Amino acid sequence: DQQVKQNSPSLSVQEGRISILNCDYTNSMFDYFLWYKKYPAEGPTFLISISSIKDKNEDGRFTVFLNKSAKHLSLHIVPSQPGDSAVYFCAASAWSGNTPLVFGKGTRLSVIA
Amino acid sequence: NAGVTQTPKFRVLKTGQSMTLLCAQDMNHEYMYWYRQDPGMGLRLIHYSVGEGTTAKGEVPDGYNVSRLKKQNFLLGLESAAPSQTSVYFCAGRSGDGYTFGSGTRLTVV
Repeated sequence: DQQVKQNSPSLSVQEGRISILNCDYTNSMFDYFLWYKKYPAEGPTFLISISSIKDKNEDGRFTVFLNKSAKHLSLHIVPSQPGDSAVYFCAASAWSGNTPLVFGKGTRLSVIA
Repeated sequence: NAGVTQTPKFRVLKTGQSMTLLCAQDMNHEYMYWYRQDPGMGLRLIHYSVGEGTTAKGEVPDGYNVSRLKKQNFLLGLESAAPSQTSVYFCAGRSGDGYTFGSGTRLTVV
């Protein structure tokens, strides 16, 4: 059973508009959530994270929202740029317990100029 | 500062052959991980290590072995490659706020 779910395999957004990528999780022990970005032929790179003690974390154009009661998080990219086109992976862990990251299947974002 | 380096970058194996993928890090990571990425499957954990001399199984360990004889190196072995092991393999090390990944090894088993 998937513990981290990204139900949208792909998303297409116009340049300058907002991109919203969603992620759901099932394990209530998860206390740390991350988003990774991946370009073709490269390894995933860390984008932004959020601890379960927060409900929002912002870094420039990227904001992650966490709704613990719904076991849902989302990544907002505003404004979206063509260089944001990549696969985005949601990941979660019981970080304080040193358990490995569990990844979702990814969402391919295409930002159209 | 190279970070996490994987070798080789590409490899084609015949069914039944063996090989070892090397992950080397210079970031003093205690924890290291091997993931595989397959289309539509995301990143799945194969094996991981919480320190020199220790290893543990992940979600999909069958057909693989690992060794962590030195802190800076984490080796992933395939004893008898199968076409189902065709994948892109990523090594990662854990830092304070996330993982640092290598650039991957694309393995094709024919």
